Amino acid sequence: DAMVIQNPRYQVTQFGKPVTLSCSQTLNHNVMYWYQQKSSQAPKLLFHYYDKDFNNEADTPDNFQSRRPNTSFCFLDIRSPGLGDAAMYLCATSRVDRANPEAFFGQGTRLTVV
Amino acid sequence: GDSVTQMEGPVTLSEEAFLTINCTYTATGYPSLFWYVQYPGEGLQLLLKATKADDKGSNKGFEATYRKETTSFHLEKGSVQVSDSAVYFCALSVGPLGGGYQKVTFGIGTKLQVIP
Repeated sequence: DAMVIQNPRYQVTQFGKPVTLSCSQTLNHNVMYWYQQKSSQAPKLLFHYYDKDFNNEADTPDNFQSRRPNTSFCFLDIRSPGLGDAAMYLCATSRVDRANPEAFFGQGTRLTVV
Repeated sequence: GDSVTQMEGPVTLSEEAFLTINCTYTATGYPSLFWYVQYPGEGLQLLLKATKADDKGSNKGFEATYRKETTSFHLEKGSVQVSDSAVYFCALSVGPLGGGYQKVTFGIGTKLQVIP
């Protein structure tokens, strides 16, 4: 089935040690998003790609970076994770289609910082 | 800016009870509206959607109607089951004029617990 796949499901990293989360999609959607979701909160958009165009949210910390080497893959890099970066990270995709504007989400990566 | 306001939970219901979760929105432009569901430890799944005023989205017994005059998109289900226990997010997306990507903005989420 076409879907959005995130790896790994669970990631433990050390304080200050760079970590990369990955996302792949078989939907061939133009847009890919990264959201951060902390416990009992709404998902918060960090940034998104529209094809190769990168769009950063104004309040996304510089510690967070992203790469999209091709249509199918997108990566979230956290350069120096702090304890406050522990969260669920959600990747999503959507197409540019007014009739079908919904985002499709992966299962998320739960990041723990120790 | 765009925002979604939904009732805070948790909401606890007995099995077969009627469910309403209120959701109102503020948006520039003409948004599409969604309800997403999140089970523990999982990502978000689209439950239903509506892309224009007076549209009714429905799925798995859940319904919501896009009311432009009241800027609302309340979620309802006539008879809940234990398996409906989850967190429900109301959301909207508005694209830039002329097309392009549509950024999704979420409400805070409402936790539903259904007891047998």
